[in-house]
Amino acid sequence: GQNIDQPTEMTATEGAIVQINCTYQTSGFNGLFWYQQHAGEAPTFLSYNVLDGLEEKGRFSSFLSRSKGYSYLLLKELQMKDSASYLCAASPGTYKYIFGTGTRLKVLA
Amino acid sequence: SQTIHQWPATLVQPVGSPLSLECTVEGTSNPNLYWYRQAAGRGLQLLFYSVGIGQISSEVPQNLSASRPQDRQFILSSKKLLLSDSGFYLCAWSSGDSPSGSWGEQFFGPGTRLTVL
Repeated sequence: GQNIDQPTEMTATEGAIVQINCTYQTSGFNGLFWYQQHAGEAPTFLSYNVLDGLEEKGRFSSFLSRSKGYSYLLLKELQMKDSASYLCAASPGTYKYIFGTGTRLKVLA
Repeated sequence: SQTIHQWPATLVQPVGSPLSLECTVEGTSNPNLYWYRQAAGRGLQLLFYSVGIGQISSEVPQNLSASRPQDRQFILSSKKLLLSDSGFYLCAWSSGDSPSGSWGEQFFGPGTRLTVL
């Protein structure tokens, strides 16, 4: 079957660094995506990895290991506005995207 | 630039009533279109996707249906709503023009919050 696993909830302090892990099992692989979703709003795209390694975009970085079926999203210099759910999604390569249930991140002052 | 519209934003419907949610995309052609449902505190469940006019793929058997009458229009319908149909419905698009086979990121509409009573 196809499956995405990520922690349900995490808490971190403003200014700190947090790493959100994601493991996936898909029948094929055409990319790993991270989205941010604030409560009551639509998800917005954060990052995309298709090759192994680290992709950095400002305060956010995403890492992929295809052999391990593993990715993480790294958020640096946390701000209160980063409190949101972070969705990991994999594309098995057939127009579809498989989403995890999301990790709710709470940033404390 | 590309934009995606969904309406209505919120909807309260009685059990057994029909449903029609509409999604339109501007600023792109031949997009791949998607309908997702997100129950409270849950992840996104893919309901339907479409890679072209009149082409609909269903992911989960249920009392919902989808249609794509125009290139940039995607409609989600039901003849009789169930209580379990309540949720946050999201339409999304991704680029259909990808020579490498990588389908790219998805862009989501603002969503419709449906409550079935």
